Amino acid sequence: DAKTTQPPSMDCAEGRAANLPCNHSTISGNEYVYWYRQIHSQGPQYIIHGLKNNETNEMASLIITEDRKSSTLILPHATLRDTAVYYCIVRVANSGYALNFGKGTSLLVTP
Amino acid sequence: GAVVSQHPSRVICKSGTSVKIECRSLDFQATTMFWYRQFPKKSLMLMATSNEGSKATYEQGVEKDKFLINHASLTLSTLTVTSAHPEDSSFYICSARGSGTSGSVVDTQYFGPGTRLTVL
Repeated sequence: DAKTTQPPSMDCAEGRAANLPCNHSTISGNEYVYWYRQIHSQGPQYIIHGLKNNETNEMASLIITEDRKSSTLILPHATLRDTAVYYCIVRVANSGYALNFGKGTSLLVTP
Repeated sequence: GAVVSQHPSRVICKSGTSVKIECRSLDFQATTMFWYRQFPKKSLMLMATSNEGSKATYEQGVEKDKFLINHASLTLSTLTVTSAHPEDSSFYICSARGSGTSGSVVDTQYFGPGTRLTVL
């Protein structure tokens, strides 16, 4: 699976949009971009995933650049409960393989 | 949908004893489950891949005789830490691969809440 690069930490004010970047310059054509988050002392939570089109669900939006070498996860209105470590993971679709977690971005949402 | 549970949520045991951790997919069937371990302030590390009805595949450096994995049904996988020692103290997390049923997205991994193991 392609390697991803994320900033180690970010801050965001409550109520504002949180934009979390991820670089995956070596991504292959059959690899999806997955985003998970882990709140302290809990298991990771699935957020969203996409191949090349932008995706939106009730939690977040995923914007993937046209060349697919980077993406941005957007939390439109961050709340204190969004404070967590966010992981961007690239993985071949339908491979059945496990997700390999990097270090992620620690997002702190402040009042 | 797509809920995964783990039991127990935390366990404290004496050195030398064995501990069993259960992982269940509550509302979908999972032919594949995964076990991870996470040390403080570190990321999740994959220990093994568990396929229903067959032997688990362990990652390099993980002792299969120490971490026994059983995946006897499509909704249950167990991890037994045998002869636990203080260095086995960690946060153990399982995940189940979505099957496309009950709100689970095919091939997406859904994680349990984790089990905190402390070995004295």
